[in-house]
Amino acid sequence: GENVEQHPSTLSVQEGDSAVIKCTYSDSASNYFPWYKQELGKRPQLIIDIRSNVGEKKDQRIAVTLNKTAKHFSLHITETQPEDSAVYFCAATDSWGKLQFGAGTQVVVTP
Amino acid sequence: DSGVTQTPKHLITATGQRVTLRCSPRSGDLSVYWYQQSLDQGLQFLIQYYNGEERAKGNILERFSAQQFPDLHSELNLSSLELGDSALYFCASSPQRGGATNTEAFFGQGTRLTVV
Repeated sequence: GENVEQHPSTLSVQEGDSAVIKCTYSDSASNYFPWYKQELGKRPQLIIDIRSNVGEKKDQRIAVTLNKTAKHFSLHITETQPEDSAVYFCAATDSWGKLQFGAGTQVVVTP
Repeated sequence: DSGVTQTPKHLITATGQRVTLRCSPRSGDLSVYWYQQSLDQGLQFLIQYYNGEERAKGNILERFSAQQFPDLHSELNLSSLELGDSALYFCASSPQRGGATNTEAFFGQGTRLTVV
């Protein structure tokens, strides 16, 4: 089945700097790669996603890149703000539509 | 509001008991996922249903079972509860119409289960 690995597990950045989180997946048939942000005690919220027919997608300060050959995808957050502090999860859907998550990255943005 | 409704929000029960968690997916979504999130842990995939049929199974204990009904709502049954079953249980739904696997999934607010 699909296996998603996520790095780093924790990330501390200064406000205004960029943050990058990387994920790899194992199932070459995976075709959908969402990213979720989860604040403490709340539901994971979809913040951006990318499908296998594109290599990059941007939405204001966040962007996601996908390298299908290498089977990895990344989340980039620019000009980080304190409200970006949260746990971020990457995920991939396999050929059956099963949504498998990475272990998460705790992002701390310090003023 | 994601459109996915989970009830109850909180549940406190004793070891050995059985509980049922309920999930109503967004209107039109055919696929329902269940995840378990223990304290400071990730999202552990339990099971997925698609249009009433089991689609995929993860690390779901034999004491746990689920089903999806004709109206597409789903229930997760947890029995012979142990202290270690205390966690947040999330469901998520996704359209996946026509068998498409690349559709967005949205989460409910979760059910916090405490076993005492």
